[in-house]
Amino acid sequence: RKEVEQDPGPFNVPEGATVAFNCTYSNSASQSFFWYRQDCRKEPKLLMSVYSSGNEDGRFTAQLNRASQYISLLIRDSKLSDSATYLCVIGGNFNKFYFGSGTKLNVKP
Amino acid sequence: EAGVVQSPRYKIIEKKQPVAFWCNPISGHNTLYWYLQNLGQGPELLIRYENEEAVDDSQLPKDRFSAERLKGVDSTLKIQPAELGDSAVYLCACSAGDTDTQYFGPGTRLTVL
Repeated sequence: RKEVEQDPGPFNVPEGATVAFNCTYSNSASQSFFWYRQDCRKEPKLLMSVYSSGNEDGRFTAQLNRASQYISLLIRDSKLSDSATYLCVIGGNFNKFYFGSGTKLNVKP
Repeated sequence: EAGVVQSPRYKIIEKKQPVAFWCNPISGHNTLYWYLQNLGQGPELLIRYENEEAVDDSQLPKDRFSAERLKGVDSTLKIQPAELGDSAVYLCACSAGDTDTQYFGPGTRLTVL
């Protein structure tokens, strides 16, 4: 079983739509959680950390469900510029980080 | 503040040739990572440094890959000899000691023919 699993998509949504991605992880002792965004042929960039109580940054909301071992990312009012691949990153023991394969989002006009 | 610098950005070599990648992290970021990313996949850790010490090299194929970070600042990743399957993007990332946030360089896209 992979450490981190994501639906590869693609998710094709119209502008203005709300879209959500999940990411499951296998290690119950995981300690840190992140969403990164990666544009085509570019490097990953931090979108947001995920905190136990959930957190919001503008149109983006991230949540953590420790009991079911997944994190989620909700994007409201999608923009064309949101089109990218969204990588979840799970931090385990000894500063070891595991990346998901990414979920591709296409926002259409 | 300057970001993570990597060079070269692109490299095309024939199989069995050696190749080296260089990374200069953000100033003051003690932790340095080398990742390999294949198309459609997430980055996979090759090696992690804390200052000049390699603290996790368990995923580094040591028969052909080597890395160094002699003064705890910039780092070099080498492959010798390269194989066709090594074609990928090699990403360098760094983080400061008090946070888990990783900052990535633009990567080196390696093509082995």
